[in-house]
Amino acid sequence: EVQLVESGGGLVQPGGSLRLSCAASGFTFSTYWMHWVRQAPGKGLVWVARINGDGSSTYYADSVKGRFTISRDNAKNTLYLQMNRLTGDDTALYYCTRYGMTTSFDYWGQGDLVTVSS
Amino acid sequence: DIQMTQSPSTLSASVGDRVIITCRASQSVSPWLAWHQQKPGKAPKLLIYKVSILQSGVPSRFSGSGSGTEFTLTISSLQPDDFATYYCQQYNSYVSFGPGTKVDIK
Repeated sequence: EVQLVESGGGLVQPGGSLRLSCAASGFTFSTYWMHWVRQAPGKGLVWVARINGDGSSTYYADSVKGRFTISRDNAKNTLYLQMNRLTGDDTALYYCTRYGMTTSFDYWGQGDLVTVSS
Repeated sequence: DIQMTQSPSTLSASVGDRVIITCRASQSVSPWLAWHQQKPGKAPKLLIYKVSILQSGVPSRFSGSGSGTEFTLTISSLQPDDFATYYCQQYNSYVSFGPGTKVDIK
């Protein structure tokens, strides 16, 4: 059974940093591109970042470029999102998702809440 | 960037109704269009990918169609479990989501 479990979220002050993790199981992690998608309270889904299977290629939404870094450790079956210089606009539930080239986002984690507030 | 729009933003319907949600893209995304369902407090769930292919386990009352820049999600007979928010999503050029359509009880 495919499982994606996010962790690392919480309350952080503006300008602070946080690192999210997503533990994957039930599939061959290294063969899938992975993405982060976020959802501000009461709002819609917004794509954040993606990484290819071996970690050699990444891409970011303009709103997080230069502040967020997506990475992965295939030996640990874990996806990461390092978030720096956080602002209130980054307050959201962050989902990690598995991406199939044909199916797109076929599995989602349960989400992890990041709250940026003083 | 490809912009996605959906209509309506909210739809009030009754159990048994036929429901149609429209999604439009700012440029052609065929065939890379998916639909996700999200219930309150839950993660999104993939319903349909590549415009019309049902994800495993999704009831056959859901169907997708369209091409180019215009797509529809149809629920043939709305069930109590279907009251949720539905998002279209393109994956032709990177990724972007529509703003969502909330289906609530009339």
